[in-house]
Amino acid sequence: EAQVTQNPRYLITVTGKKLTVTCSQNMNHEYMSWYRQDPGLGLRQIYYSMNVEVTDKGDVPEGYKVSRKEKRNFPLILESPSPNQTSLYFCASRLTVNTGELFFGEGSRLTVL
Amino acid sequence: GQQLNQSPQSMFIQEGEDVSMNCTSSSIFNTWLWYKQDPGEGPVLLIALYKAGELTSNGRLTAQFGITRKDSFLNISASIPSDVGIYFCAGQHNAGNMLTFGGGTRLMVKP
Repeated sequence: EAQVTQNPRYLITVTGKKLTVTCSQNMNHEYMSWYRQDPGLGLRQIYYSMNVEVTDKGDVPEGYKVSRKEKRNFPLILESPSPNQTSLYFCASRLTVNTGELFFGEGSRLTVL
Repeated sequence: GQQLNQSPQSMFIQEGEDVSMNCTSSSIFNTWLWYKQDPGEGPVLLIALYKAGELTSNGRLTAQFGITRKDSFLNISASIPSDVGIYFCAGQHNAGNMLTFGGGTRLMVKP
C-alpha cells in the first residue's frame, strides 16, 4: 500500500530536549516536504526536498532542521524545541516537485512544555 | 509567503444542506487544489483544477477555477455526516513552485 509514515504520532516533551520526527515514503517519490498545521493558519511549509541531498527552506524554517540522505526518508529535527513549536506536523511526498498528487502522512502531534 | 484567504473558517450545518466555501488570492495561480482532512488524519486530495474557468465534479463535490485565476470555490451538495472535517484549498503558481495552503474551513454536520 502506497503511504507516508510518520513517527511518533504523539509526543510530549520539554523545552530544549532534542527530538526527531521520522518520515518515510514507499512510493519512490523525489519530492518530500514538512508542514505544520496551526488553527486558522492552515498548513505552512517548514522545509522541502526535491531529491536526495537537496533540501531548502519553506515559509517557517526557524528552529527546524532536515536531512535527505536516502530517497525514502526525510526526518524533521528540532534541536532545541520551544513551546511555540507545539503543533501538528505533517510530512508529505510527491512524485516530483510539480507532478503527481501530494500524499500526506497521518500527522505527528507535538507538545513542548 | 503567499497568502490564500479561505472562508468561511467554520460552518455548522444540518444534514442534507448544500455547502459552499471559497478561496481568494492577491496573486494568480495556475493550479488550484482542494483537500479534505478527516479528524486524526492527514489531508487527502479531492479535486485538482488546472485551467481558468474549469468546473470539475467528484461525486457530490464540485469545484471551479475562477476566471481571474485568483479564486476558487468548492460546493458540497446534500451534505452527510461523513463530510465532517477540515477542507483546505491550495494554489500553485507554476511548474516548480510550492503549494500554498489556505487556512482551512472546518465543516460540522448535524444529523
